[in-house]
Amino acid sequence: QVQLQESGPGLVKPSETLSLTCIVSGGSTSSYYWTWIRQSPGKGLEWIGYIYYNGNTNYNPSLKSRVTMSIDMSKNQFSLNLRSVTAADTAVYYCARCKPPSWFDPWGQGTLVTVSS
Amino acid sequence: QSALTQPRSVSGSPGQSVTISCTGTSSDIGGYNYVSWYQHHPGKAPKVMIYDVNKRPSGVPDRFSGSKSGNTASLTISGLQAADEADYYCCSYAGSYTWVFGAGTKLTVL
Repeated sequence: QVQLQESGPGLVKPSETLSLTCIVSGGSTSSYYWTWIRQSPGKGLEWIGYIYYNGNTNYNPSLKSRVTMSIDMSKNQFSLNLRSVTAADTAVYYCARCKPPSWFDPWGQGTLVTVSS
Repeated sequence: QSALTQPRSVSGSPGQSVTISCTGTSSDIGGYNYVSWYQHHPGKAPKVMIYDVNKRPSGVPDRFSGSKSGNTASLTISGLQAADEADYYCCSYAGSYTWVFGAGTKLTVL
């Protein structure tokens, strides 16, 4: 059974880069789409973007200028970089496997990232 | 892309049925039959309950059902159980390999 676990700093300073990694266990990162989703305090979920196992990516237009995703199949993990963060980027960040266009499953438990000096 | 509109909260007694609505536009819900619903117990990983408007993944009870009419999708939970108390999020494909989520609905089992 595939399981996902997010990891990374819980605190990032404004204007710096938020970097998170999602480790995939119980399955391979090959042949699937992998995605990042976030939930800001008191708000709903926001799709950030996906990376395909071959490295192809697609990002939410609202975040596209600041987002980069990468994948390392040898380590069975994929990553998110979000540049020039502000307090508005404070959120719980989830990684999930995507079966486009139908569903996201499974998900990680999420990791809280706070942007603050 | 604007978030899909969901009621902030719904409630029902054990054994009853509740329906959660999710309203979008012709660019998302109205344009595609790719609406999914996620159950989220705080602190745990969200779980897909419905996909492609009305399909249930293996293991999801048939008490959960989905439907769509125009730009509005709905999740109905029948025979409410205490374990159903959670946050529920709708999601729609929005074209060009992008997706939009709802703001979430808190279900309280009285």
